[in-house]
Order: sequence, then structure tokens, then C-alpha cells
Amino acid sequence: GAVVSQHPSWVICKSGTSVKIECRSLDFQATTMFWYRQFPKQSLMLMATSNEGSKATYEQGVEKDKFLINHASLTLSTLTVTSAHPEDSSFYICSADLNTEAFFGQGTRLTVV
Amino acid sequence: DAKTTQPPSMDCAEGRAANLPCNHSTISGNEYVYWYRQIHSQGPQYIIHGLKNNETNEMASLIITEDRKSSTLILPHATLRDTAVYYCIVRVEYQGGKLIFGQGTELSVKP
Repeated sequence: GAVVSQHPSWVICKSGTSVKIECRSLDFQATTMFWYRQFPKQSLMLMATSNEGSKATYEQGVEKDKFLINHASLTLSTLTVTSAHPEDSSFYICSADLNTEAFFGQGTRLTVV
Repeated sequence: DAKTTQPPSMDCAEGRAANLPCNHSTISGNEYVYWYRQIHSQGPQYIIHGLKNNETNEMASLIITEDRKSSTLILPHATLRDTAVYYCIVRVEYQGGKLIFGQGTELSVKP
């Protein structure tokens, strides 16, 4: 199947700093990618839809100025968590569609200390 | 909000069939039933999807009731590696459709 890769797999950062997470579709092009967040023992929550060449669409309650999304090419979307705080510590997952199937990255574990 | 409901947890003996139910009573005519699973601390993995006919692939079988208000995912011979959270999702089958995850079923396969 198709491969979606995230980098880094895990990151620890200091409170107040910014962290960038990359999501790449390795063997297909994706005009749309999706970003999810998952807290421990909870389900995945959709944060935003990343659109190549245009602005991302954010779900209700997600701060667009805090979670910056850039989709500059057909194979790369980035999520930047700005001014991170401990409550932003979570598992961040991206996905991209190929035909009718969604392929997910392996996730990025963010810990803000 | 998710349009599906699933039991929060289930146990299954290794080597036996695991039958995971899902209710989707408000499913629309153009929505498919998708199943994904998530092994701890990994991204979700696609299993199978269908519209109204039963489907089978190398991983599982999907049985959808005639009224399409519920479905069952069947893992014919569960192994310990099938221990995961299984998500049932309804979605229009077109490229770019977002997935809304419910709480899923935590399946524990026991030796």
C-alpha cells in the first residue's frame, strides 16, 4: 500500500518554543492531507484539513494561529505548534488519501516540558 | 460527532474468530462503512470497507445488514498481534473525505 511518513517520530521541547512536524506522502501525490491529535486513552480528533496551494481548513475549536499548517507541495504538509505549552503534549497523526483509502503516518509524540 | 457506536472493549481467545459489531443507524445512502485499527502508539491501519454487500479481503470480512444500520467486522483467526483499537467509520467514498473517529473497540486477544 501507499506510504505516509511523519518526522520526527517523537520530540521533546521547552514550553514557549515552536515545533514543526512534517508529513510526507512517499509514493503518491496528495492534494489534501489531514491532521489529527490524540490524547492518551482517547480517540483521534480531526484538527484540520491541509490543502495544497491554499489555506488549511480548521475544525471548530482548533486555533489556527497556534497550529500553523503549510501544504507547499503535493507530497509535503507541515504542522507547526507555536508557543507550545504542556497541554499541547499529545500524539499528532497525519493522513492522506489515495483513491478511496486513507493512509496514515506513524504519528509524532510531542512532549512539552 | 461520530455517526457510529461500538462497544468499548472485547476479549477474544487466540485462534478464534473475533466479531466486532458497529451501529450506524443514521448512515446515508452514499456513505460507506470503513474499518481501521490502531495498534498502540502507531497510526491507524486500513482494514476493509463496503457499501451494502459483504466484503472479504486477506485481513478480515465485513458483514453489513440489509438495512445498513449495523455491521460486523470478522477477524477469522485472531492472533495476539490483532490486539488493537478497532474503529468503525462511515464516510462518503471520494478522495479528500475526512474521517471522524468514534471511540472504537479495544480488542484484547488472549492466549
